[in-house]
Amino acid sequence: RKEVEQDPGPFNVPEGATVAFNCTYSNSASQSFFWYRQDCRKEPKLLMSVYSSGNEDGRFTAQLNRASQYISLLIRDSKLSDSATYLCVVILTGTASKLTFGTGTRLQVTL
Amino acid sequence: DTEVTQTPKHLVMGMTNKKSLKCEQHMGHRAMYWYKQKAKKPPELMFVYSYEKLSINESVPSRFSPECPNSSLLNLHLHALQPEDSALYLCASSHLGGDSLGTQYFGPGTRLTVL
Repeated sequence: RKEVEQDPGPFNVPEGATVAFNCTYSNSASQSFFWYRQDCRKEPKLLMSVYSSGNEDGRFTAQLNRASQYISLLIRDSKLSDSATYLCVVILTGTASKLTFGTGTRLQVTL
Repeated sequence: DTEVTQTPKHLVMGMTNKKSLKCEQHMGHRAMYWYKQKAKKPPELMFVYSYEKLSINESVPSRFSPECPNSSLLNLHLHALQPEDSALYLCASSHLGGDSLGTQYFGPGTRLTVL
């Protein structure tokens, strides 16, 4: 079983739609969680950190469920510019420098 | 300045060549990383340097040799590569510890083709 699993998609949604991605992680010692975004042929960029209390940044909301070992990303009012691959990232306790990436979920927002 | 720069952007090399990839950051980060990314796959960690010392080597073949000359620079020396080593090589940097965990800044990458 992979350490961090995501549905690869693609998710094809119209502009203005709300879309949600989930990510599951297998190691209960995971301590920190993030969503990164990677545009086609570009480098990954941090989108947001994910906290147990949930956090929101504009149209983006991230949630963490430690009991079920999954994190989620909700995008409201999708824009064409949201089209990208969304990478779920986990840091295991004691591996402060090491990011473990999920395989990524591809989102395509269309007119 | 929140930029990580990498040179060259593209590199084509033969299996007998020796080449180097370069990475630079001026954000005062004391951790620097090399990742390899194949098409439609996530980045795979290769090496981590903390305070200019190699702290993680993810069992990378010796034909890849990292070097950290100072806190701003990171090199990856390549020798006798195989065609399957063709990939995007990403450099990243970050602060160490605290709330900065997980916040890595990536360079644009070097797209390497081994013939």
